[in-house]
Amino acid sequence: QLVLTQSPSASASLGASVKLTCTLSSGHSNYGIAWHQQQPEKGPRFLMRLNSDGRHTKGDGIPDRFSGSSSGAERYLTISSLQSEDEADYYCQTWGTGVQVFGGGTKLTVL
Amino acid sequence: EVHLVESGGGLVQPGRSLRLSCEVSGFTFDDYGMHWVRQAPGKGLEWVAGISWSGANIEYADSVKGRFTISRDNTQNSLYLQMNSLRTEDTALYYCAKDALGELLGGMDVWGQGTTVTVSS
Repeated sequence: QLVLTQSPSASASLGASVKLTCTLSSGHSNYGIAWHQQQPEKGPRFLMRLNSDGRHTKGDGIPDRFSGSSSGAERYLTISSLQSEDEADYYCQTWGTGVQVFGGGTKLTVL
Repeated sequence: EVHLVESGGGLVQPGRSLRLSCEVSGFTFDDYGMHWVRQAPGKGLEWVAGISWSGANIEYADSVKGRFTISRDNTQNSLYLQMNSLRTEDTALYYCAKDALGELLGGMDVWGQGTTVTVSS
């Protein structure tokens, strides 16, 4: 079964960097994913699509501070030079035949 | 500029029906698959249904299969979600989202702002 696992919460200080993790279920380590950001009281926003080899394609207007990487079944979103507006929920999403799956989301707090 | 604008939400009693619409602009609608995604109050994102560029491939989450019907009109640049036999657990903000590819295998890359559906007696 295709499942994405994310830590429920993360925190980092203003100006620092943070690395969020999304883990693919067993047998699906070659799947690509997408990362989405949802700021408080707003709709989701596409950040990037991330392949198993770490190549990623960002959405329009996404700052260079956002980057993606991969290792095995893990997919990462790194945000550098954290700003207050980066405080948000971050969801990973993947797809297979007949199904689209979201991770449970990580709530990022900027201290 | 790409825009997805949902409409049709509202308050409805359990067991009744509602039809959501999503009007799109700024891209070639019939080149891409489309999805409905919902978010219950205080919860995460849940995929509801997807439809390929031509409408030939349609997929549903188990939670709505047999009750919801997704469709599209490529001449009107519009996506629809017919929701029948609504339950209280269908209460959510419903988003329309564009797939990066035509056959629902690219991930979502554009989102609307959502329309609220409340199912309550």
